[in-house]
Amino acid sequence: NAGVTQTPKFQVLKTGQSMTLQCAQDMNHEYMSWYRQDPGMGLRLIHYSVGAGITDQGEVPNGYNVSRSTTEDFPLRLLSAAPSQTSVYFCASSIIAGGQETQYFGPGTRLLVL
Amino acid sequence: LAKTTQPISMDSYEGQEVNITCSHNNIATNDYITWYQQFPSQGPRFIIQGYKTKVTNEVASLFIPADRKSSTLSLPRVSLSDTAVYYCLGANAGNMLTFGGGTRLMVKP
Repeated sequence: NAGVTQTPKFQVLKTGQSMTLQCAQDMNHEYMSWYRQDPGMGLRLIHYSVGAGITDQGEVPNGYNVSRSTTEDFPLRLLSAAPSQTSVYFCASSIIAGGQETQYFGPGTRLLVL
Repeated sequence: LAKTTQPISMDSYEGQEVNITCSHNNIATNDYITWYQQFPSQGPRFIIQGYKTKVTNEVASLFIPADRKSSTLSLPRVSLSDTAVYYCLGANAGNMLTFGGGTRLMVKP
């Protein structure tokens, strides 16, 4: 299993540009999430999905859209990039067993908005 | 969601046992306590999870007292490669997870 994969690894955008961060998992997990991590800070939840066709907002959803058309993929869209969105973005998928949840994280996408 | 409080940073030396304590006074009945490890430029990695008493795996031990208002992650005989940020989370499966600032562990030679 490749686990959770993210592309691209690094991206530079100009203010106002749009782009999609890709996330895929091959573990057949129902739950997937997107986080952002600013320098020296913990992770903050942007959006999450409990299954194909179902998404919901997390702690910091403004400026981001998500969709979940398949179990495997959970892309994150930046509609109009702003410098405040410069961050490292992590995608995660979760397995839930016996009431316990374990998250598996991707390697991250570093985004710089100029 | 349980709000967690951890020390911002800790220093240790190779070969020592490290104990990181996390406070979660408002933990809910159904919440589990989970610890993640994060190295620079990598995503967090699951270490250990528990509900009460003691849990041990090949990496660490987790101690949770009867009142569940705190937990302690124990790393036996740390090495330089254990230098990382450690996050404590309290949440019920399927709910949003909230990562705090974590504890930055520095292991020195």
